[in-house]
Amino acid sequence: AQSVSQHNHHVILSEAASLELGCNYSYGGTVNLFWYVQYPGQHLQLLLKYFSGDPLVKGIKGFEAEFIKSKFSFNLRKPSVQWSDTAEYFCAGQSGGSYIPTFGRGTSLIVHP
Amino acid sequence: NAGVMQNPRHLVRRRGQEARLRCSPMKGHSHVYWYRQLPEEGLKFMVYLQKENIIDESGMPKERFSAEFPKEGPSILRIQQVVRGDSAAYFCASSRTSGSGLEETQYFGPGTRLLVL
Repeated sequence: AQSVSQHNHHVILSEAASLELGCNYSYGGTVNLFWYVQYPGQHLQLLLKYFSGDPLVKGIKGFEAEFIKSKFSFNLRKPSVQWSDTAEYFCAGQSGGSYIPTFGRGTSLIVHP
Repeated sequence: NAGVMQNPRHLVRRRGQEARLRCSPMKGHSHVYWYRQLPEEGLKFMVYLQKENIIDESGMPKERFSAEFPKEGPSILRIQQVVRGDSAAYFCASSRTSGSGLEETQYFGPGTRLLVL
């Protein structure tokens, strides 16, 4: 079965620290990958997405993710986090031809000043 | 350019009552998806609709839950005879078309947080 795994459930960082959130997927064939962010009390917003091409994807707010096919990974990174990055981060995968993404459990990020 | 709209944002119901959740897709989007988010969990797909058609309801509970997307008006997720276990955040998403290309990216609404007392 297709699945998306996020191994870090809770991450606590200080401002200016670097961030990397892990995401692994178990799809065969073509796969589309997404990272969404959910700020407290708000809806999911799309941070970035990978469909094809350059495996290093730049998103909004200084985030980026790298698609590494050999590792089935799509980790999210940011070189220097801010307090305002405190949120829940969801990785999602969608196999080619499917219209339904599968979401990971989410990673709760807390950035303290 | 309004995004996906959902109302109400918060809904409190007593056990046995009905809950109606509404979703208006983004302008130009004709595909609507409903998801449920339980505490400490990711989003779980419930149902996918196009205008006047249910395309995929594989994630919907077999009883008490129904969804529609009429020709005019918002999509509605209806939960009859709610129970405490229905308490969750319900998110709606919309896309321009369906599939797995760039045009099919789903955009999410703010969600409706349902609390069943």
